[in-house]
Amino acid sequence: AQTVTQSQPEMSVQEAETVTLSCTYDTSESDYYLFWYKQPPSRQMILVIRQEAYKQQNATENRFSVNFQKAAKSFSLKISDSQLGDAAMYFCAYRSGNSGGGADGLTFGKGTHLIIQP
Amino acid sequence: DTGVSQNPRHKITKRGQNVTFRCDPISEHNRLYWYRQTLGQGPEFLTYFQNEAQLEKSRLLSDRFSAERPKGSFSTLEIQRTEQGDSAMYLCASSSLSSNTQYFGPGTRLTVL
Repeated sequence: AQTVTQSQPEMSVQEAETVTLSCTYDTSESDYYLFWYKQPPSRQMILVIRQEAYKQQNATENRFSVNFQKAAKSFSLKISDSQLGDAAMYFCAYRSGNSGGGADGLTFGKGTHLIIQP
Repeated sequence: DTGVSQNPRHKITKRGQNVTFRCDPISEHNRLYWYRQTLGQGPEFLTYFQNEAQLEKSRLLSDRFSAERPKGSFSTLEIQRTEQGDSAMYLCASSSLSSNTQYFGPGTRLTVL
């Protein structure tokens, strides 16, 4: 079974600074997808960014980018120019590239609580 | 496109009662997922539908839990004989067949007294 580990329960960053959230995963598969979701205090889970394992290029979405190291099974999220609205729980998630057998559900880490200091 | 909706948003019940939650996915999304999230944890996968077919159930889904998606549109999750350990946020997500991205609803928070 796949596992996702987020080793930072909480991170704090000054507004306008850059912060990196860590995520590692364990899998024997070569085809899979990785995601970062944001869950603000209102609790609605919002997709931040996604990465296909077969792509070597790191995904980028505006101020959000990832550092995907497939060999190291590492998938960190970098937030540049942090804003107060970025404060939330951030979850790293894994999805198998194979269909069926429970592979379609996401496996989540325990999350990192991001605090933005004004 | 109104996104994934879930009702009710909050449910308080007494131990032993039955509860039912509803999820309306994004229109034309074939795939629908249920997750459970307890405080301080990430969501855990419960079950998954493709159209009206329930294709996978997690070991977390005990016999007291049942989910349906009768016409391949909305889905219901029923918990019979609720226990205090069932208290959690129940999240629904949907995706299209052509995408691997799941979009989540706001969740239903269940409190079992």
